[in-house]
Amino acid sequence: DIQMTQSPSSLSASVGDRVTITCQASQDISNFLDWYQQKPGRAPKLLIKTASNLETGVPSRFSGSGSGTDFTLTINSLQPEDIATYFCLRYDDFPYTFGQGTKLEIK
Amino acid sequence: EVRLIESGGGLVKPGGSLRLSCEASGFSFSGYSMNWVRQAPGKGLEWLSSISSSSSYIYYADSVRGRFTISRDNAKNSLFLQMDSLRVEDTAVYYCARPSVGWGQGTLVTVSS
Repeated sequence: DIQMTQSPSSLSASVGDRVTITCQASQDISNFLDWYQQKPGRAPKLLIKTASNLETGVPSRFSGSGSGTDFTLTINSLQPEDIATYFCLRYDDFPYTFGQGTKLEIK
Repeated sequence: EVRLIESGGGLVKPGGSLRLSCEASGFSFSGYSMNWVRQAPGKGLEWLSSISSSSSYIYYADSVRGRFTISRDNAKNSLFLQMDSLRVEDTAVYYCARPSVGWGQGTLVTVSS
């Protein structure tokens, strides 16, 4: 199975900071990767689809990049409402696999 | 607007059964493969099963193969998960999901005696 390695597992940053989260696949997955935000007690929310496409309605401070094995989620100008856990999902083949998650906190 | 609404969760004893449903709207359901994913309390996400648009191809995670059965009814824009021989470790929130389209709000399944 293709594994996804997400880092960091937790992150503390200040309002206004630029935040970067990465996911690395154990083999080439092209651009079959989504990024999600999950707040406690809530369902995951799609942020970025197919590696770099911003989902409708998601603030433009969120962006995604990468293809192949290395992917990045960037949050420009961190806002207090961005406190959440972020994770990636690869879906190029079965079984789909998730990154381990990054818990983002505000300093 | 994409909407995926799960139902059917609840409390069941070990060895029991439940059938989850997911009603889809806001996108062309019959044209997409669909999936079930779960999240145990305080844990990460686990993909469980996928079904192709025409039900021709079905895949399961090792953890549920032989116990869970995925199906769909395109005429009713609905996805199902029949869960048999439930175990305590199956306790989780269950989501129907389609990558790059959306997820439901989840339904809680609790397996306990």
